[in-house]
Amino acid sequence: NAGVTQTPKFQVLKTGQSMTLQCAQDMNHEYMSWYRQDPGMGLRLIHYSVGAGITDQGEVPNGYNVSRSTTEDFPLRLLSAAPSQTSVYFCASRAGTGYYEQYFGPGTRLTVT
Amino acid sequence: KNQVEQSPQSLIILEGKNCTLQCNYTVSPFSNLRWYKQDTGRGPVSLTIMTFSENTKSNGRYTATLDADTKQSSLHITASQLSDSASYICVVSFNTGGFKTIFGAGTRLFVKA
Repeated sequence: NAGVTQTPKFQVLKTGQSMTLQCAQDMNHEYMSWYRQDPGMGLRLIHYSVGAGITDQGEVPNGYNVSRSTTEDFPLRLLSAAPSQTSVYFCASRAGTGYYEQYFGPGTRLTVT
Repeated sequence: KNQVEQSPQSLIILEGKNCTLQCNYTVSPFSNLRWYKQDTGRGPVSLTIMTFSENTKSNGRYTATLDADTKQSSLHITASQLSDSASYICVVSFNTGGFKTIFGAGTRLFVKA
């Protein structure tokens, strides 16, 4: 049971480039989320999904797209990278809302120059 | 405004000593409160989850307390170990027609030999 996996671990992009951060989970969880973590701030929700085919915006969705074609995968796409998107990105999954445990991936450190 | 504030921002203690981390929140209506441990370069890992009816929850040397009336929580670490060096994040969830979560900025704990 690998839990939540993310690739790549590190990435450097030039301003204007696009890329996809991959996230997968093998726990058959319906709920998956993407967060960004910036120094001195709490994790902020970018997008989330409550099941295959269903996605919604979080607190800071601008500049990011998501899709959920399967229960296992939840990729995050940066459309045109900007220096303000330099951050550490975490994917998380959980079986439901409320009291359910949330499991985080190891993170992707992204630098946009 | 819904907020989660943690104190202190950072803390240095000697190995074997106890410490207490604080979390104050202004979230309403409260659903649950979680404490996470985040090692450097890793994703957060859950330590405890509490609903409003739970005053105390333990996980080994970690004990979380919750006072839903004053909207305060604390995380007490007993007999600290070098491996306790990490960031500790308080996360409060609430339900206002949709399930939402706010992450505190964390307390960075350094345990020295």
